Amino acid sequence: NAGVTQTPKFRVLKTGQSMTLLCAQDMNHEYMYWYRQDPGMGLRLIHYSVGEGTTAKGEVPDGYNVSRLKKQNFLLGLESAAPSQTSVYFCASSYSNPLSQGAGANVLTFGAGSRLTVL
Amino acid sequence: AQTVTQSQPEMSVQEAETVTLSCTYDTSESDYYLFWYKQPPSRQMILVIRQEAYKQQNATENRFSVNFQKAAKSFSLKISDSQLGDAAMYFCAYRTRSTGNQFYFGTGTSLTVIP
Repeated sequence: NAGVTQTPKFRVLKTGQSMTLLCAQDMNHEYMYWYRQDPGMGLRLIHYSVGEGTTAKGEVPDGYNVSRLKKQNFLLGLESAAPSQTSVYFCASSYSNPLSQGAGANVLTFGAGSRLTVL
Repeated sequence: AQTVTQSQPEMSVQEAETVTLSCTYDTSESDYYLFWYKQPPSRQMILVIRQEAYKQQNATENRFSVNFQKAAKSFSLKISDSQLGDAAMYFCAYRTRSTGNQFYFGTGTSLTVIP
């Protein structure tokens, strides 16, 4: 029962390098999200997806791109990394239907986080 | 815009005592969902408790309960009989049923449990 899996868990980049964070979920969730967590800032939404082939911007989308080619995967890309993108990144997923019942309804399920350092 | 405010960056509680973490939110919607998530040092985000706005009864989960005041837009978390394992960062979150069902998070409260 994997839930939400993020890879890699740690990465160090140099300024200007590119990389992709992969998020995979096995719960058949329609919605997927990428957040970044910084001290004193809580979790801020970068991008999200309401279904396969669709993406949308969140609060802090600049410098990031995303793709959702398959329902179970949501990729976060940094084309040219900057030190301001040093952060812990969380992927999460949820059901789309607010009327969903049961223990998992309307709940965000998170991955374990990925710590990214940009030098 | 929806916002979630946690005005207590840090709190501490004696083991076995009770502590209340505060959360207020701003919304123009009438139907939404509220959550408390716990983040221990392992960094994993764990759901503690959730509340549907249309329900007047406060949610409870074992030692965790909420005080939901819809008119005041307040959603506090009470932890009874605090245990060492409760030490963590706690985030209050709000989910709207409109605008993409986004989740909005507060800045967190770091809870220390004193033995």
